[in-house]
Amino acid sequence: EAQVTQNPRYLITVTGKKLTVTCSQNMNHEYMSWYRQDPGLGLRQIYYSMNVEVTDKGDVPEGYKVSRKEKRNFPLILESPSPNQTSLYFCASSQGWDTQYFGPGTRLTVL
Amino acid sequence: EDKVVQSPLSLVVHEGDTVTLNCSYEVTNFRSLLWYKQEKKAPTFLFMLTSSGIEKKSGRLSSILDKKELFSILNITATQTGDSAVYLCAVEEGTDKLIFGTGTRLQVFP
Repeated sequence: EAQVTQNPRYLITVTGKKLTVTCSQNMNHEYMSWYRQDPGLGLRQIYYSMNVEVTDKGDVPEGYKVSRKEKRNFPLILESPSPNQTSLYFCASSQGWDTQYFGPGTRLTVL
Repeated sequence: EDKVVQSPLSLVVHEGDTVTLNCSYEVTNFRSLLWYKQEKKAPTFLFMLTSSGIEKKSGRLSSILDKKELFSILNITATQTGDSAVYLCAVEEGTDKLIFGTGTRLQVFP
């Protein structure tokens, strides 16, 4: 079954404690991206990757890092989380925009 | 600054009604416009539009793009309670970026 998986699904943490949200896809897609979704602001792209070792900033990259060492994985790293990073995060992968699959989402709360 | 604006923000209708959702955009390098449906979980793809005036249709849903006036509409006919969701419009800018609108929340009551 074609899918994008994210872990964890829910996370409550404290300011400054480094965390990683994993994302994995099984469709051999080249393109992967991370979004955050906040009430009234819609989905905003954080980072995207066009292929292994190729990443670029989206609209809201501050406070986030990513890496793409393998085609299937695209982890999102928060080196020093802050409360304004409390949000719902989605990972997505696609070969073309009409085949973009979203993961189930990770709800992050930073206290 | 590139932007995508959806209207209305929220819509409440009864089953059987027809609704029209709007999406207008201003982007530097437009390539395509996409519609998604988001229920309680992740967005799911509905339509991708690249050419003006060509209607895309799937069951009771249809969408069309006007590249001259820079907008798209999503129509849902004979609405059902299962159509209740947030509908997201996104525009592909360049080749790598998607810019999303804030969405329209549709509630369909029996």
